[in-house]
Amino acid sequence: AQSVTQLGSHVSVSEGALVLLRCNYSSSVPPYLFWYVQYPNQGLQLLLKYTSAATLVKGINGFEAEFKKSETSFHLTKPSAHMSDAAEYFCAVASYSGGGADGLTFGKGTHLIIQP
Amino acid sequence: NAGVTQTPKFRVLKTGQSMTLLCAQDMNHEYMYWYRQDPGMGLRLIHYSVGEGTTAKGEVPDGYNVSRLKKQNFLLGLESAAPSQTSVYFCASGSGDTQYFGPGTRLTVL
Repeated sequence: AQSVTQLGSHVSVSEGALVLLRCNYSSSVPPYLFWYVQYPNQGLQLLLKYTSAATLVKGINGFEAEFKKSETSFHLTKPSAHMSDAAEYFCAVASYSGGGADGLTFGKGTHLIIQP
Repeated sequence: NAGVTQTPKFRVLKTGQSMTLLCAQDMNHEYMYWYRQDPGMGLRLIHYSVGEGTTAKGEVPDGYNVSRLKKQNFLLGLESAAPSQTSVYFCASGSGDTQYFGPGTRLTVL
């Protein structure tokens, strides 16, 4: 069984400050990990993914995440927050049994608030 | 290339009514998924399909049925809607390690 824990249902940062969203996972097999972003009243958009290649993964909009096996973590960071980053962020882990994912297990989400 | 589309966008049902949500994808993906999103719960997998004519249960399948008669379509049915099924429903399709999500259907059951 797999699980994802996102620490902090709400995170508030000032515009221009560092963004750090925390994600810890539990998986019995080497994990595939994802960060998705959801803007109000929209679907989910893939930010970045870890699929057992480089442990530091770069995504869209200046975000990146580092896979740390020893800490079972996949935290999302961005050096300088922008007002347009305000959204809901979801960390997810995938399970596979063949040519594709059997489904994603999501964390409960972190609402990122950007203070002007 | 429309990606993943969902019909309808909004729907209000009375308890006991039935309805079908339609998901369509034009990316020729083998895998398709239905999730529900509830406040503070993230997204939870309802059912999924690994190819035309196949379906499988996810984390929260009770009260839902699905069908995948055509590769590009994945239908989610509620036979007798309950207030607990009030939620936002997302469809996704994927090939390999990435899933692509539709815009969602907001369902309210009174």
